Amino acid sequence: DSGVTQTPKHLITATGQRVTLRCSPRSGDLSVYWYQQSLDQGLQFLIQYYNGEERAKGNILERFSAQQFPDLHSELNLSSLELGDSALYFCASSATSGTYNEQFFGPGTRLTVL
Amino acid sequence: AQKVTQAQTEISVVEKEDVTLDCVYETRDTTYYLFWYKQPPSGELVFLIRRNSFDEQNEISGRYSWNFQKSTSSFNFTITASQVVDSAVYFCALSPYSGAGSYQLTFGKGTKLSVIP
Repeated sequence: DSGVTQTPKHLITATGQRVTLRCSPRSGDLSVYWYQQSLDQGLQFLIQYYNGEERAKGNILERFSAQQFPDLHSELNLSSLELGDSALYFCASSATSGTYNEQFFGPGTRLTVL
Repeated sequence: AQKVTQAQTEISVVEKEDVTLDCVYETRDTTYYLFWYKQPPSGELVFLIRRNSFDEQNEISGRYSWNFQKSTSSFNFTITASQVVDSAVYFCALSPYSGAGSYQLTFGKGTKLSVIP
């Protein structure tokens, strides 16, 4: 158990809908990363937050957004869902962003868009 | 831009055989980090190893060993005496050394290893 929790574990929804994925980092970790794992694109970095602020952006679609709250949990919002958004979404947390710290991955949320 | 190539999509070996998973990377950074992760059928990502670009010493951990060669931009992973529990998808990944504090990982496409009893 990495100490990172993600909810829900599975999510099934329809095209055009909006969903929110939640991530609780390990206690004390300030940095949260979101990754998407799909059959087409593989594992790719979406976005990073550090202590409530966006720190880096990867291949995140405009239909997707994220935020990190004062209690450090993070949410990834996916809107106007398309079939191709079906994927496993991971979040990872790390202690600080000043020097390298290990990223600990959560168990993932499997999103199925029908 | 960073890129990680795992040319082997799938490998099957018989239990107790040794197997090497290849990883080649591209980066313009002079300092960076390399990783291997394991994704068993249950789906979670399990960290195996991290190497700094300035440390080219090979590493051995039990049945696992890693060969980092900066000259060929490779970071290969060998499992000795493979076991059925080693069956998983293995990912090689690369991260910049970032003064800005962002260490996003660039993953390869993964190599699916099947160990047959």
